[in-house]
Amino acid sequence: EAQVTQNPRYLITVTGKKLTVTCSQNMNHEYMSWYRQDPGLGLRQIYYSMNVEVTDKGDVPEGYKVSRKEKRNFPLILESPSPNQTSLYFCASSGLGSTDTQYFGPGTRLTVL
Amino acid sequence: AQSVTQPDIHITVSEGASLELRCNYSYGATPYLFWYVQSPGQGLQLLLKYFSGDTLVQGIKGFEAEFKRSQSSFNLRKPSVHWSDAAEYFCAVGAGNDYKLSFGAGTTVTVRA
Repeated sequence: EAQVTQNPRYLITVTGKKLTVTCSQNMNHEYMSWYRQDPGLGLRQIYYSMNVEVTDKGDVPEGYKVSRKEKRNFPLILESPSPNQTSLYFCASSGLGSTDTQYFGPGTRLTVL
Repeated sequence: AQSVTQPDIHITVSEGASLELRCNYSYGATPYLFWYVQSPGQGLQLLLKYFSGDTLVQGIKGFEAEFKRSQSSFNLRKPSVHWSDAAEYFCAVGAGNDYKLSFGAGTTVTVRA
């Protein structure tokens, strides 16, 4: 089954404790992206990647890092989480064709105390 | 840069009644337009998309949307809602090869019996 998986689905942590949210897709997609969803703001893009070793900032990259060492994986790293990073996070992937659509993962709900 | 406005934060509709969700976009060229649905606790599911051609687009679950360039709109409609349509709906605009999606803030739909 074609899918985007994220782990963990739920995470409660404390300020300053480094964490990683994993994202993996099995569709051989070149493009992957991370979004955060906050009430009243919709989804905002954090980082995206067009291919292995190619990453770029989205609209709200501050406080986040990503890496793309393999095509299927695109982890999101919070080196020093803060309470304003409490949010619902979605990973997405797609091909590079102009009419390709993005497939979204199930989401990771992060709470930073 | 592209942007999306969903003027209605919350809509309540009776089961069996028709539903229309509004979406206005801002983009300088021909946009790629999408509607996604997010059921409680779930990820985003693509309902339909518009890239070009026929301006009336049919999607899954009985939804349709109409692209009106003159009004910069892409409203979503369903003739008869079911209780299972209670969810949050997001309109998004993409710019083709740049793959980035810009989302509206979302419209929450409540279905009353």
